[in-house]
Amino acid sequence: GESVGLHLPTLSVQEGDNSIINCAYSNSASDYFIWYKQESGKGPQFIIDIRSNMDKRQGQRVTVLLNKTVKHLSLQIAATQPGDSAVYFCAERPGGYNKLIFGAGTRLAVHP
Amino acid sequence: EAQVTQNPRYLITVTGKKLTVTCSQNMNHEYMSWYRQDPGLGLRQIYYSMNVEVTDKGDVPEGYKVSRKEKRNFPLILESPSPNQTSLYFCASSPQDRVTGYTFGSGTRLTVV
Repeated sequence: GESVGLHLPTLSVQEGDNSIINCAYSNSASDYFIWYKQESGKGPQFIIDIRSNMDKRQGQRVTVLLNKTVKHLSLQIAATQPGDSAVYFCAERPGGYNKLIFGAGTRLAVHP
Repeated sequence: EAQVTQNPRYLITVTGKKLTVTCSQNMNHEYMSWYRQDPGLGLRQIYYSMNVEVTDKGDVPEGYKVSRKEKRNFPLILESPSPNQTSLYFCASSPQDRVTGYTFGSGTRLTVV
């Protein structure tokens, strides 16, 4: 697999537990946020997004929470499964800019 | 199948030998971008393009060139590669000229010796 997961913080959870992955973003003017999942040897995959005028959005087994006061984003995964093991990145779109800025990532390790 | 296709998947080259990494998307997306990914640094944008013949620098453009002559293709060119360009490269596209959720390619692992 690729080496991009080296030096990353790791969250270890038991299969079936809920996982919470946190991200602090940098720009108070960012208007759009995304969570990506990257499995070994693959490109990042879109999981869920949220706009700055929302504070919560739910998908299938995933929920994203946005706290603009403290510039914090979290991804909650319900009933974590072995297939959820991957590196997770948050990304922000700074207001006025047409780009995404990515965080360094968190490795999620799911144990049976 | 809707996808972003990069080639080659792996490349080892020598310092100074020009190379091109190709990227093609079949989703008729306006926005395309190149990123490099290095351990502990996440993804950093190299160049992006909002449409045909419209390109702009990202955060780490030094040593790279791009072109967007057709909507579907966005090649990354290294005119004179150096060892500090050894990295994992991703091409991505987005359906609007205002970037939203990217679709990423599978990556190109480049080693410059």
